[in-house]
Amino acid sequence: DSGVTQTPKHLITATGQRVTLRCSPRSGDLSVYWYQQSLDQGLQFLIQYYNGEERAKGNILERFSAQQFPDLHSELNLSSLELGDSALYFCASSAQGGTGTQYFGPGTRLLVL
Amino acid sequence: DAKTTQPTSMDCAEGRAANLPCNHSTISGNEYVYWYRQIHSQGPQYIIHGLKNNETNEMASLIITEDRKSSTLILPHATLRDTAVYYCIGADSNYQLIWGAGTKLIIKP
Repeated sequence: DSGVTQTPKHLITATGQRVTLRCSPRSGDLSVYWYQQSLDQGLQFLIQYYNGEERAKGNILERFSAQQFPDLHSELNLSSLELGDSALYFCASSAQGGTGTQYFGPGTRLLVL
Repeated sequence: DAKTTQPTSMDCAEGRAANLPCNHSTISGNEYVYWYRQIHSQGPQYIIHGLKNNETNEMASLIITEDRKSSTLILPHATLRDTAVYYCIGADSNYQLIWGAGTKLIIKP
């Protein structure tokens, strides 16, 4: 158990819809990262927050957005969903603002029908 | 940016040492090499990282060549539970981890 929690574990929705994925980092960690992993693919970095501020952006679509709240939990919002958005979405946390040892949550499996 | 190259897959007998190679010839002097693994579709798990010295922890050892162009992750006594995809990861100029396809390690009884 990494100490990072993600909800929900599974999500099934339709094209065009909007969903919100939630992540709670390990106690004391200030950085949260979001990753997307499509079927049999490597992890694609989406975005990073550090202590409430956006720190880095990766290959995140404009239809996707995220935020980190004062209690340090984070939410990833996915809108106008397409079939190709079906994937595993992982959240990770680390103590540092830059790269470092990241602790991953169990992921949210999103299926867009 | 630190791009890494790993074999697509490897086998290892249970109880033997698993040696996973990684090439990172473009890594710059201050960039760390990180190793993670992902068992099935679980969240990736941090294993170890290093800069230029060899490193060891309770999970594995990391041997980095003197020129830092390659490294080897060693699992000293592989078990069936070590079957996973192992990622050797460098960092880009913004210190973000760059994930490749990894090596699928299969431990055979």
